[in-house]
Amino acid sequence: GEDVEQSLFLSVREGDSSVINCTYTDSSSTYLYWYKQEPGAGLQLLTYIFSNMDMKQDQRLTVLLNKKDKHLSLRIADTQTGDSAIYFCAETGGSQGNLIFGKGTKLSVKP
Amino acid sequence: DSGVTQTPKHLITATGQRVTLRCSPRSGDLSVYWYQQSLDQGLQFLIQYYNGEERAKGNILERFSAQQFPDLHSELNLSSLELGDSALYFCASSAPSGAATQYFGPGTRLTVL
Repeated sequence: GEDVEQSLFLSVREGDSSVINCTYTDSSSTYLYWYKQEPGAGLQLLTYIFSNMDMKQDQRLTVLLNKKDKHLSLRIADTQTGDSAIYFCAETGGSQGNLIFGKGTKLSVKP
Repeated sequence: DSGVTQTPKHLITATGQRVTLRCSPRSGDLSVYWYQQSLDQGLQFLIQYYNGEERAKGNILERFSAQQFPDLHSELNLSSLELGDSALYFCASSAPSGAATQYFGPGTRLTVL
């Protein structure tokens, strides 16, 4: 079935780049998404990429998509302590349009 | 602020009880999605409504039901509550066309004692 996998933890130093990786299974997903969840808060849409694109850049965020390997990554440049949160990768669930989420990667940024 | 509102923010109730969670989508959005977030299951899709009609169903228990009203707000009804229903319940909405990107509300934290 459809599945999205992410590593659970990532720790970086302030000012470094963070790279969060994700693999997905549904090759028919039209869009792939990254959401951010801070403690006690809802899900904030960070960015998304259309499946026919390889890369999308939005300020400090860079999304890379390797459709052949079904691999998605999110790079955060110049990571700040305010970037500490859980990051979720999501794909659209086939024809239904609902999102299928990974378990989330907890990013810890050390000063 | 995503523009999606959910009430209440917190809900504490007892096993066997019934509760109703409310969601108002962003202005202009016709689709409403409900998701459950728990520690063991992660984020799971429950159900989707589009302009008042049920569009898709996910891992929604028979004890749970939802509806979308003519003003497009939606309610998720949870009945015969069990301890395992304790979770964060999110509502999301999306526009009728384009990327159909889902914008999430702040969630309702349900605690069943």
